[in-house]
Amino acid sequence: GNSVTQMEGPVTLSEEAFLTINCTYTATGYPSLFWYVQYPGEGLQLLLKATKADDKGSNKGFEATYRKETTSFHLEKGSVQVSDSAVYFCALNDMRFGAGTRLTVKP
Amino acid sequence: EAGVAQSPRYKIIEKRQSVAFWCNPISGHATLYWYQQILGQGPKLLIQFQNNGVVDDSQLPKDRFSAERLKGVDSTLKIQPAKLEDSAVYLCASRPRAGLAEPEDTQYFGPGTRLTVL
Repeated sequence: GNSVTQMEGPVTLSEEAFLTINCTYTATGYPSLFWYVQYPGEGLQLLLKATKADDKGSNKGFEATYRKETTSFHLEKGSVQVSDSAVYFCALNDMRFGAGTRLTVKP
Repeated sequence: EAGVAQSPRYKIIEKRQSVAFWCNPISGHATLYWYQQILGQGPKLLIQFQNNGVVDDSQLPKDRFSAERLKGVDSTLKIQPAKLEDSAVYLCASRPRAGLAEPEDTQYFGPGTRLTVL
């Protein structure tokens, strides 16, 4: 069946550091892929999405590219801020979520 | 535009008691989901409705959990009787009907109900 495997955390970075959170998936066909973010005390929000191979989703400085050949959708940001501290979830369009990666950014 | 509404936000009960959660999706959204998010884990889909019909309830523990979406708008999720392992945040999400302005694939989540079973 379909599944999502996400990089385990927690991840702690200094402000302005480069961020990568790995996500790989197993699915039949070519599902849409999503990254959701959950800020402290808030609900889940869609961060970005990609609907087909080689698509790049981007939002708030975050990017992820749909790689069919490696079945991956890694999340990246070139320079993180303290306000990016949150839990990040990778997901398929059949509503399967990864376990989440907690990111803490220190000033 | 109003978001997905859920109530209550917090609930504490003792094991073997019953509890109910309410969700009002974004107006016009045909698809509604209930998820269970245990601390430290990703959301797990419990049930999916399309209008007032059930699309997927394969992961719903039907011996104790039930859900309904009468009239295809708001929904309730009930647990009866609750167990300690039901302690979690229960999330409701909705998704627009195809043809609306938003991309069909996008889910919108409510703030969740945090349930503690003692």
